Amino acid sequence: QVQLQESGPGLVKPSQTLALTCTVSGGSISGSEYYWSWLRQPPGKGLEYIGHIFHGGSTYYNPSLGGRASISVDTSTNQVSLKVNSVTGADTAVYYCANMYGKADQWGYYYYVMDVWGQGTTVAVS
Amino acid sequence: QSVLTQPPSASGTPGQRVTISCSGVISNIGSNTVNWYQHLPGAAPRVLIYSNKLRPSGVPDRFSGSKSGTSASLAIRGLQSEDEADYYCSAWDDSLNGPVFGGGTKLTVL
Repeated sequence: QVQLQESGPGLVKPSQTLALTCTVSGGSISGSEYYWSWLRQPPGKGLEYIGHIFHGGSTYYNPSLGGRASISVDTSTNQVSLKVNSVTGADTAVYYCANMYGKADQWGYYYYVMDVWGQGTTVAVS
Repeated sequence: QSVLTQPPSASGTPGQRVTISCSGVISNIGSNTVNWYQHLPGAAPRVLIYSNKLRPSGVPDRFSGSKSGTSASLAIRGLQSEDEADYYCSAWDDSLNGPVFGGGTKLTVL
């Protein structure tokens, strides 16, 4: 069973770059057909999808981040990284990594689901 | 502002049935399947319902999902105190080419 663990600095200064790492255990990033995803939850708000990287390197970023996010993988360390530049207080949140996959169900309906999540890491911008 | 619309709160007493709605548009719920996630305080979110109505192993059959057109619902019957959590709907959006979420519904068991 794949397990995910986020890590990174808990405090980032405004205008700097937030950098987080998600360490994957119990499975290999390399060759997997997962969308390695990042989400966040600001205080008192709901979940927000940040983006993902798919095997082969294709990426998707939520337009709400205005092009400030970047996701990459390091297959040698089995880690997924997130960088958000030019941070402000609005980037204060609990950040989660998750793995998402797409598959057809028994009736042929295609679904994408995030079935493994990390515990989350809190980042404050101040 | 979230792409999918959920009521901010819901409540019920133990044993009751409650439903949580989720509204979207053609490009997301209207064209794709819906998932529901449960987020307990201090824990990682977990998938409760996927592909509109399927339950992962380990999720009690008290939880059920449905979808019609551009709306979806999560129903919880036999409400229990441990069901008190935030619930999020999610669907793939063809316009964005990525998943979108509702704002979450905080369920209180009275």
